[in-house]
Amino acid sequence: DGGITQSPKYLFRKEGQNVTLSCEQNLNHDAMYWYRQDPGQGLRLIYYSQIVNDFQKGDIAEGYSVSREKKESFPLTVTSAQKNPTAFYLCASSIYYPAISGANVLTFGAGSRLTVL
Amino acid sequence: KQEVTQIPAALSVPEGENLVLNCSFTDSAIYNLQWFRQDPGKGLTSLLLIQSSQREQTSGRLNASLDKSSGRSTLYIAASQPGDSATYLCAVTMNTGFQKLVFGTGTRLLVSP
Repeated sequence: DGGITQSPKYLFRKEGQNVTLSCEQNLNHDAMYWYRQDPGQGLRLIYYSQIVNDFQKGDIAEGYSVSREKKESFPLTVTSAQKNPTAFYLCASSIYYPAISGANVLTFGAGSRLTVL
Repeated sequence: KQEVTQIPAALSVPEGENLVLNCSFTDSAIYNLQWFRQDPGKGLTSLLLIQSSQREQTSGRLNASLDKSSGRSTLYIAASQPGDSATYLCAVTMNTGFQKLVFGTGTRLLVSP
């Protein structure tokens, strides 16, 4: 079955540590995204990538880093510079339509919950 | 800056009721609006997508409407069931070179048997 796999589902981090969240898709989608979700808030965009070897900052990129070396993979590293990293992280992907079509339907993974101890 | 608001934040209804969830947005320059469902601790599932030129979309017991000029969308759920219990989020796709989605904060729905 095609889909997006995020791992780990739960992750605990000590202050000062970097952690990496994995996101793999087998949908042959060009675009991939990372969102952060906090209680009572909407999803906020961290980073996105439209093609391999290219990625752009979203609204809350500070303290995070990404890479896109393969089409299928878009890992997110939460660095020690992120002051409040406890959150639910969601990865998504989509077929990248040209802007003219305006039909960007996202497929989401099941999420990773990061807790700072 | 686009802001998306969902009212109510939480809703509790008995099984069988018809219900309406509301979504409003401040900037009408959108490509489309989507409604998603999120179960506790899970990812999002796309329910309906309405293009900016459309007025409504239907899927089974779900009907979503869009009034772009007034910045409003509604999700109508007919004959609600306990399995409909989840958080429902709306998101608009901005009319920019990159099709950025801006999400609302969601409505948490509980349907009691």
